Amino acid sequence: DVKVTQSSRYLVKRTGEKVFLECVQDMDHENMFWYRQDPGLGLRLIYFSYDVKMKEKGDIPEGYSVSREKKERFSLILESASTNQTSMYLCASSLPQGVPYGYTFGSGTRLTVV
Amino acid sequence: ILNVEQSPQSLHVQEGDSTNFTCSFPSSNFYALHWYRWETAKSPEALFVMTLNGDEKKKGRISATLNTKEGYSYLYIKGSQPEDSATYLCAPNTGNQFYFGTGTSLTVIP
Repeated sequence: DVKVTQSSRYLVKRTGEKVFLECVQDMDHENMFWYRQDPGLGLRLIYFSYDVKMKEKGDIPEGYSVSREKKERFSLILESASTNQTSMYLCASSLPQGVPYGYTFGSGTRLTVV
Repeated sequence: ILNVEQSPQSLHVQEGDSTNFTCSFPSSNFYALHWYRWETAKSPEALFVMTLNGDEKKKGRISATLNTKEGYSYLYIKGSQPEDSATYLCAPNTGNQFYFGTGTSLTVIP
């Protein structure tokens, strides 16, 4: 069964900490994405990657960075966590443009910054 | 950023009722429209992907239609069941990137 795995389901971190959210997919997908979901705002794109070592800013990249050293792994980094980064974070992967099969999502990481 | 609107924001229906939601999006540069169901504590699950104007898709009691010329899609649920309770997301994509609406939260009351 193909899947996208996020390393933690729940995470509590302190303000100012450096936080790593890990995402691994086993479908050999080229594209990977990080979203955050907040009540009333829907899913907002933070960063995405079309290939290894490539990254593109999404709609809300401020305060985040990403790393994609291997095709199957896409990491989201909060350089200095702040309380306004408390949210549900979703990772997704997909095949390239032209193959409209949609995203496969991970189960999400609920991050609380205190 | 693509402006995607879903209505209503939330909906409570009785078991057995039929219901429908709307997804509106800009019709230019359209490639495909996706519907997802997102149950609490689970991953969003793909329901349908539609690409052509007039497309209709069906999966059990759930169906969807697409109008690319006017930029909208409808999702219908016939005879709602408690297990249909979830947030339903639509997402048009213009290429690699999808643009999600805020979702319609459906609660089916037994």
